[in-house]
Amino acid sequence: DTEVTQTPKHLVMGMTNKKSLKCEQHMGHRAMYWYKQKAKKPPELMFVYSYEKLSINESVPSRFSPECPNSSLLNLHLHALQPEDSALYLCASSPEGSNQPQHFGDGTRLSIL
Amino acid sequence: GQNIDQPTEMTATEGAIVQINCTYQTSGFNGLFWYQQHAGEAPTFLSYNVLDGLEEKGRFSSFLSRSKGYSYLLLKELQMKDSASYLCAVRAGTALIFGKGTTLSVSS
Repeated sequence: DTEVTQTPKHLVMGMTNKKSLKCEQHMGHRAMYWYKQKAKKPPELMFVYSYEKLSINESVPSRFSPECPNSSLLNLHLHALQPEDSALYLCASSPEGSNQPQHFGDGTRLSIL
Repeated sequence: GQNIDQPTEMTATEGAIVQINCTYQTSGFNGLFWYQQHAGEAPTFLSYNVLDGLEEKGRFSSFLSRSKGYSYLLLKELQMKDSASYLCAVRAGTALIFGKGTTLSVSS
């Protein structure tokens, strides 16, 4: 079990559906991240939130919409996804400071039909 | 540009020592992290280096040379459970940039 909790663990959705991925941490971390990981590839950074404000968007398509309602929660809203968006979506958090490791959740495995 | 290189695959036997190398060229450097990832699981933090030299943590050690853009992860007394992917990641600013990972297979 990790200290970063992601729900759901698995999600299957059609290309016209709207769904949300959720991430929660109670470690007091003020930086939170979304990564996308394809099979046998490293995690690719999508978004970074620092003190609940979006600080990095790695040119992610608008069909992915992040939201940080408070310092413990991070959501990723999905709409009109494509089959190539099928992947493992990882959430991570870290304390502020460049020497602090990121703690990852177990991820949501997303399949787009 | 950002470039992090590590070998794709390595094999070793139980009880042995293995060294996984990582070279990097990044715009900015705020430290280098090593993560372990078992198939289907989250990456877990192993070690962090920001100054040159060796950091030791039990069976795992990590080394950094900033002038050479080089790091290695040393795993001693290998166990079957060490079979996993090992990710080298450089912190450049806020972002963590991952290498492609090295898949280590430990056999008995």
